[in-house]
Amino acid sequence: KAGVTQTPRYLIKTRGQQVTLSCSPISGHRSVSWYQQTPGQGLQFLFEYFSETQRNKGNFPGRFSGRQFSNSRSEMNVSTLELGDSALYLCASSLGTLSYEQYFGPGTRLTVT
Amino acid sequence: SQQGEEDPQALSIQEGENATMNCSYKTSINNLQWYRQNSGRGLVHLILIRSNEREKHSGRLRVTLDTSKKSSSLLITASRAADTASYFCATESSGDKLTFGTGTRLAVRP
Repeated sequence: KAGVTQTPRYLIKTRGQQVTLSCSPISGHRSVSWYQQTPGQGLQFLFEYFSETQRNKGNFPGRFSGRQFSNSRSEMNVSTLELGDSALYLCASSLGTLSYEQYFGPGTRLTVT
Repeated sequence: SQQGEEDPQALSIQEGENATMNCSYKTSINNLQWYRQNSGRGLVHLILIRSNEREKHSGRLRVTLDTSKKSSSLLITASRAADTASYFCATESSGDKLTFGTGTRLAVRP
């Protein structure tokens, strides 16, 4: 089975711009979660989607949003980028809830200048 | 905020030695998972242990869970250079999110 794929792998944006990141889960997986990883805050949960519905959301401002399509692919959008949004954004898929093991993609490295 | 705190923050051992890292958490959990992250392969799931389990094994990995102490440990036996990575515990409490710890950086010297 192909693993979780994320595009793009690297991205450089300017403050104030917006960005959309994409995640394709493992075939058959219906749950997609997003995480932000920074040296200072570590790995933090952003949100989880299951069957096109957002099930859970972490403590991030409304500038961070996402969606899931009928084929389980997911996108994450960050509007009005700030320098502090520079991070590695990881997507994970699983068969069911967060009680299942999560399969992570390689991540998208976002740099905001 | 982090639910799990790993200890030690960094560990350096010789190849062939055992490595033990610990994770403490604050609230009741449904399960605890261990992940490994290195630059080459990203974040990889190692073991999931449920709250009603006390110990699990997978190859050279042994995980214990003590819910009374709100702690877990990961033991890697007969370590190899390829085990060099950061190791994270992650807790799931009420199905609403997975909370990762701060991580232990393990260096295995050849």
